[in-house]
Amino acid sequence: AQSVTQLGSHVSVSEGALVLLRCNYSSSVPPYLFWYVQYPNQGLQLLLKYTTGATLVKGINGFEAEFKKSETSFHLTKPSAHMSDAAEYFCAVRRNQGGKLIFGQGTELSVKP
Amino acid sequence: NAGVMQNPRHLVRRRGQEARLRCSPMKGHSHVYWYRQLPEEGLKFMVYLQKENIIDESGMPKERFSAEFPKEGPSILRIQQVVRGDSAAYFCASSPGTGDLYEQYFGPGTRLTVT
Repeated sequence: AQSVTQLGSHVSVSEGALVLLRCNYSSSVPPYLFWYVQYPNQGLQLLLKYTTGATLVKGINGFEAEFKKSETSFHLTKPSAHMSDAAEYFCAVRRNQGGKLIFGQGTELSVKP
Repeated sequence: NAGVMQNPRHLVRRRGQEARLRCSPMKGHSHVYWYRQLPEEGLKFMVYLQKENIIDESGMPKERFSAEFPKEGPSILRIQQVVRGDSAAYFCASSPGTGDLYEQYFGPGTRLTVT
């Protein structure tokens, strides 16, 4: 069975500081991995995804994530936080067939001025 | 190309009433997924449908919940005899397929409040 664990339900950083949101997964097959962002009272927007190929994935809004198979991790980073990055972030895993996404519990990112 | 549409955006129902949530996928998308987000929790998969077929309903509660995606018209998630525990945000996502390259596009959600 697949599962996703996001370490830290709440992360707070200062504007301009590094953002690091942690995600670990368990999967019996090579997974497809995703990061989504959710702004208050809105739906989810895809930030980036890993399917195959290059393990460092770049997404929108300056975010990137690295797939590390040995650590079963897919942490999300951004070099310099902006106030507009304040939102909830979800890591998700999907099998290569079947379609459904399995989400982590989410990490709420706060950005202090 | 319009995004995934969900309506209503907010729905208030009294205990025991029925709730109908609608989802219109993006143009050209024939795969629809429903997820539920309970307060302070992540999203949980409920059901996956293609046109006129339920493909995976492993996340659907066994009673009171049903879903359909007819040949014409939106997908409907129906909750009969709602209870307070059904209060949640319900998100629909659509996809053109299930291959490696296909991702799911999410709608804005329907926030159901049961009083």
